[in-house]
Amino acid sequence: NAGVMQNPRHLVRRRGQEARLRCSPMKGHSHVYWYRQLPEEGLKFMVYLQKENIIDESGMPKERFSAEFPKEGPSILRIQQVVRGDSAAYFCASSPDSGGYGYTFGSGTRLTVV
Amino acid sequence: GENVEQHPSTLSVQEGDSAVIKCTYSDSASNYFPWYKQELGKGPQLIIDIRSNVGEKKDQRIAVTLNKTAKHFSLHITETQPEDSAVYFCAASYNNNDMRFGAGTRLTVKP
Repeated sequence: NAGVMQNPRHLVRRRGQEARLRCSPMKGHSHVYWYRQLPEEGLKFMVYLQKENIIDESGMPKERFSAEFPKEGPSILRIQQVVRGDSAAYFCASSPDSGGYGYTFGSGTRLTVV
Repeated sequence: GENVEQHPSTLSVQEGDSAVIKCTYSDSASNYFPWYKQELGKGPQLIIDIRSNVGEKKDQRIAVTLNKTAKHFSLHITETQPEDSAVYFCAASYNNNDMRFGAGTRLTVKP
């Protein structure tokens, strides 16, 4: 049973480009969460999604950031017109459909904006 | 929303000593409190968790205590080893939704 799969592991973008980060949850998990981690800092909640629904996006910046979790395929975190301040590690986590506790995290995507 | 504070931000201990990390939370509705260990270049890994219906839980050298009245919980690591060196995060949530994390504690275990 593969864990939470994130790709790419490393992503370099020039300022103004778009970044797309992908996350495939564990088998049997339909809840996906995205977190951002700046160097030497903690995990900041961004968005919580279930299949085809955004449940809580209170941590998402109002502009340039969007997330989706389609019926088929991975969850996507999209950052448009990236700026240097978007450089960070982005982690995806998933949790069980029901009755289970705890998040399983992926290995993260390290985004560098040059 | 939930706000989790974690102390200390850095902790250095000698191998074999104990390490204690403390967290407080703000939302009295929170009922699930996990702890994660993050090694360099990796994602956080769940190491132990506790729910609000118990006050203490132990797993080998790791234990967690919860005081719901005071809204604080702690991680205790006994007989520390160099491989325990990592960043540790506490977290709190209501029914596993919208988990909020502390800022992390960088633990260094000196051989």
